[in-house]
Amino acid sequence: AQSVAQPEDQVNVAEGNPLTVKCTYSVSGNPYLFWYVQYPNRGLQFLLKYITGDNLVKGSYGFEAEFNKSQTSFHLKKPSALVSDSALYFCAVTPQRGGNNRLAFGKGNQVVVIP
Amino acid sequence: DTEVTQTPKHLVMGMTNKKSLKCEQHMGHRAMYWYKQKAKKPPELMFVYSYEKLSINESVPSRFSPECPNSSLLNLHLHALQPEDSALYLCASSQEGRNSNQPQHFGDGTRLSIL
Repeated sequence: AQSVAQPEDQVNVAEGNPLTVKCTYSVSGNPYLFWYVQYPNRGLQFLLKYITGDNLVKGSYGFEAEFNKSQTSFHLKKPSALVSDSALYFCAVTPQRGGNNRLAFGKGNQVVVIP
Repeated sequence: DTEVTQTPKHLVMGMTNKKSLKCEQHMGHRAMYWYKQKAKKPPELMFVYSYEKLSINESVPSRFSPECPNSSLLNLHLHALQPEDSALYLCASSQEGRNSNQPQHFGDGTRLSIL
């Protein structure tokens, strides 16, 4: 079965500083990996995904993520954080074969960007 | 604005009531999902429909009854709910059901409170 670990509960960062949200995964075979963001009183919004190819994936709102197969990681990054990036971030994985539309979500990371 | 529309946004009901949650998408997606989400937690998969047929039921109690009248609509019928069923109920959709590399698109949810 697939699983995701997001080791930190909360990530605090000063506005303008780089933001990193960590994610490691476990899956049989090769993964499809996703990052979602959830703002208060909203549903999850898709940020970016890794399918195959380049390990560095660029997504919405200036976010990017780097796939590292040897470390089974898919950390989310943004070079310069904005106060509006404060939200709950979820990493999710499904296997490329036999996923059956089941996404395994991490527990989520609350990001707080301090003005 | 999200492309998946859920109604109502808020619902308060007693344990003996019958109500329904509705979800609609016009993106031509053929997979639709119901999730339950508690505050600050990841979404928990409840049901998946693929081409209007129920493909996954994650051992959800029978007091929750899903229905997919057509490829654009998804309902969740509620009856005799318990206080622990209070949560945010999210609907999502994605392209072709077995192609797990496509992101799921989420609605903003129905916040359900059971008295």
